[in-house]
Amino acid sequence: QITLKESGPTLVKPTQTLTLTCTFSGFSLSTSGVGVGWIRQPPGKALKWLALIFWNEDKSYSPSLKSRLTITKDTSKNQVILTMTNMDPVDTATYYCAHRRVTMIRGLPGDYFEYWGQGTPVTVSS
Amino acid sequence: SSELTQDPAVSVALGQTVRITCQGDILRNSYASWYQQKPGQAPVLVIYGENNRPSGIPDRFSGSNSGNTASLTITGAQAEDEADYYCNSRDSSGNHFVFGTGTEVTVL
Repeated sequence: QITLKESGPTLVKPTQTLTLTCTFSGFSLSTSGVGVGWIRQPPGKALKWLALIFWNEDKSYSPSLKSRLTITKDTSKNQVILTMTNMDPVDTATYYCAHRRVTMIRGLPGDYFEYWGQGTPVTVSS
Repeated sequence: SSELTQDPAVSVALGQTVRITCQGDILRNSYASWYQQKPGQAPVLVIYGENNRPSGIPDRFSGSNSGNTASLTITGAQAEDEADYYCNSRDSSGNHFVFGTGTEVTVL
């Protein structure tokens, strides 16, 4: 059974750095093809993909937030950590981590986030 | 463009069929996945790949793809299908991911 759970502060001040941890079980992030991503959702708004780390240490970031994001993994602890610098009130959102896999169909990729954490709310306010 | 556009809201009568579309040029080079999200809950994967349902997803959910459009169809909509639905795919670079703008489905 695959589970993921996010943890971190619920309140951060503007300009501070946010650190979120995704602790997972039921799979290994050293297995080929596996990835763990971070997605956020401001209140009443759409989902937004932030970052993803792959089994082979490759990393990918949202172009609009790349300068502020860092994603790392600790395979021994089954954890993925996301840091976001220079937090602003517009970063107030629920942050989710999710398990990513991909299927290839006639040479084209079909990625999917099959398992999600429950999400952790983060408010940015002074 | 690396955007995925969805209709903001659709409604469907109980037991009828509704199709939700997701449009974007990036869908010519990758398949979309679809997520259902109910208020206060995390998203749930309902369709991935060509037309695959994860275990536990009812077979009234189906997906299709044509050109720059991916579609999610609910055949025989139930009250519990009332939710927001999001598509997701890789962007034009192939290295990033994009979520659609979301569609609110109301079951009348």
